[in-house]
Amino acid sequence: KAGVTQTPRYLIKTRGQQVTLSCSPISGHRSVSWYQQTPGQGLQFLFEYFSETQRNKGNFPGRFSGRQFSNSRSEMNVSTLELGDSALYLCASREGGQAGGYEQYFGPGTRLTVT
Amino acid sequence: DQQVKQNSPSLSVQEGRISILNCDYTNSMFDYFLWYKKYPAEGPTFLISISSIKDKNEDGRFTVFLNKSAKHLSLHIVPSQPGDSAVYFCAASDRYRGAQKLVFGQGTRLTINP
Repeated sequence: KAGVTQTPRYLIKTRGQQVTLSCSPISGHRSVSWYQQTPGQGLQFLFEYFSETQRNKGNFPGRFSGRQFSNSRSEMNVSTLELGDSALYLCASREGGQAGGYEQYFGPGTRLTVT
Repeated sequence: DQQVKQNSPSLSVQEGRISILNCDYTNSMFDYFLWYKKYPAEGPTFLISISSIKDKNEDGRFTVFLNKSAKHLSLHIVPSQPGDSAVYFCAASDRYRGAQKLVFGQGTRLTINP
């Protein structure tokens, strides 16, 4: 099976702009989670989507949002970018559901730089 | 409040020897624990996991031990190989009614010396 894919891999944006990142999960996986990795805060959970519904949300401002489509693909949006949003954004997928496995499988990430 | 801690930022081990990476957690509601390996410019790769109802899980060269009373887990790599050089993250699963989030430690950089 193909792994988790994320596009784009690298992105440079200016403060105040908005950005949309995309994630395609492993085939058959219905749950998609997003994480932010920075040198100072490490890996932090943003949100989880399952069957097009957000089921869980981390401690991030409302500028961070996401959605999931019927084919399980997910997008993440950050509006009014700030310098501190510069990070590696990681998408992870798992089978999902109450009986689904615990293991999450990560994509290669999108490196966002805000100038 | 850091619920998952990896107190050693780095570890250096001779090739062929055992590598032991440690992780402590504070939340007794965590129900599953996972270890990930990460190379630069790549996403974390799942290595091995353990349920909170077990105390040991083994997969080839990798063994994870869980001590619930001490809220401590460790990853043993035997024998260590140069390709094991990477950053290792411990993660705890916070799961409720099927929704899940992973809480990560800060990572330990493992260097295997030839």
